[in-house]
Amino acid sequence: AQSVTQPDIHITVSEGASLELRCNYSYGATPYLFWYVQSPGQGLQLLLKYFSGDTLVQGIKGFEAEFKRSQSSFNLRKPSVHWSDAAEYFCAVGAKNTGNQFYFGTGTSLTVIP
Amino acid sequence: DAEITQSPRHKITETGRQVTLACHQIWNHNNMFWYRQDLGHGLRLIHYSYGVQDTNKGEVSDGYSVSRSNTEDLPLTLESAASSQTSVYFCASGSQAYEQYFGPGTRLTVT
Repeated sequence: AQSVTQPDIHITVSEGASLELRCNYSYGATPYLFWYVQSPGQGLQLLLKYFSGDTLVQGIKGFEAEFKRSQSSFNLRKPSVHWSDAAEYFCAVGAKNTGNQFYFGTGTSLTVIP
Repeated sequence: DAEITQSPRHKITETGRQVTLACHQIWNHNNMFWYRQDLGHGLRLIHYSYGVQDTNKGEVSDGYSVSRSNTEDLPLTLESAASSQTSVYFCASGSQAYEQYFGPGTRLTVT
């Protein structure tokens, strides 16, 4: 069965520092992978997605993610964090051959300190 | 970007009551989804629909039902609300494979 693991429940970084949020998936084939961001009291917004091709994916708000098949990972990165990046981040895998179903990780909460 | 609305945004109800949460999207997306979000679980799929008259069960469908009578709406009904259904509920819609735009959520408390 498909599953997504986000090992870090909560991360705190200083403004201007680099950021990496971890995501590991379990899936029998090449998955479709996504990162979403959720600001407090809001719905989820898509940051980026990977379907195929170049394993380094650029997204909105300066985020990028790299698909590493050998490590079953799809980590999210940002070179310099802004205070407005404080939010909850969710990794998700789209299950092929089951229509459009997503499986979400449990999320990583990001705090940005000045 | 797609616009999808949910109502009410907050709801308090009593155990055993029937509750319906509304989801409306203006973009005529064929695909619509309902999730619940709980601490420690992320988002879990309740029901989904790929078009009018089509409904499917997701991972946590027990105690919930949906109906799709038109393209724009997918109401979620809790037949007999239970305290375990206290959660934040998100609706999503999309037109392409693995495309999902999320609504702002409904916070439901069952007392």
